[in-house]
Amino acid sequence: QQPVQSPQAVILREGEDAVINCSSSKALYSVHWYRQKHGEAPVFLMILLKGGEQKGHDKISASFNEKKQQSSLYLTASQLSYSGTYFCGTEYSGNTGKLIFGQGTTLQVKP
Amino acid sequence: EPEVTQTPSHQVTQMGQEVILRCVPISNHLYFYWYRQILGQKVEFLVSFYNNEISEKSEIFDDQFSVERPDGSNFTLKIRSTKLEDSAMYFCASRLLVGEQYFGPGTRLTVT
Repeated sequence: QQPVQSPQAVILREGEDAVINCSSSKALYSVHWYRQKHGEAPVFLMILLKGGEQKGHDKISASFNEKKQQSSLYLTASQLSYSGTYFCGTEYSGNTGKLIFGQGTTLQVKP
Repeated sequence: EPEVTQTPSHQVTQMGQEVILRCVPISNHLYFYWYRQILGQKVEFLVSFYNNEISEKSEIFDDQFSVERPDGSNFTLKIRSTKLEDSAMYFCASRLLVGEQYFGPGTRLTVT
């Protein structure tokens, strides 16, 4: 039931783009994206509630493909501050808010 | 900006001892959660709490664990008899009714 994230790790130069995918084998109610820096709490980035929904925040956006049960996180023109581990948290029912997290994608942005 | 707070930031305890981890969720939020993260691993759901009762719990959340909202602001996680494998970062989170969950800074629990 755990969502699968890909890639596991990515290294970028400042200004480059990246895509992180989160796939589920089970129908999703919502997908939540978080970024976690070493030794800190996960920080909420965005939530996608409907199939096909796209949301954006500055140069970070995400999409949710309901048919494929997949969400993708797009980071454009990456900055050093984007470095960290990105987790998708999947919600399978809209009742309790229980999130099942993927194993994480480590992103390193180099100058 | 309102935030979730947790105390203590680090707790060291001996195996078999009881520990209580404390959280103050965002004041108007209605759902409260505990998650844990073993070093280097993913975040794992433990329990959700709504309307003064557990709404869902995971397989990890066995009889050794309990949660309580003793007053209008605190939300606690108790581990009755700690084991070495309970060593982890414990995060409290809260949400309004639906939507995004906001995580606290975490309590690092070390069981020796």
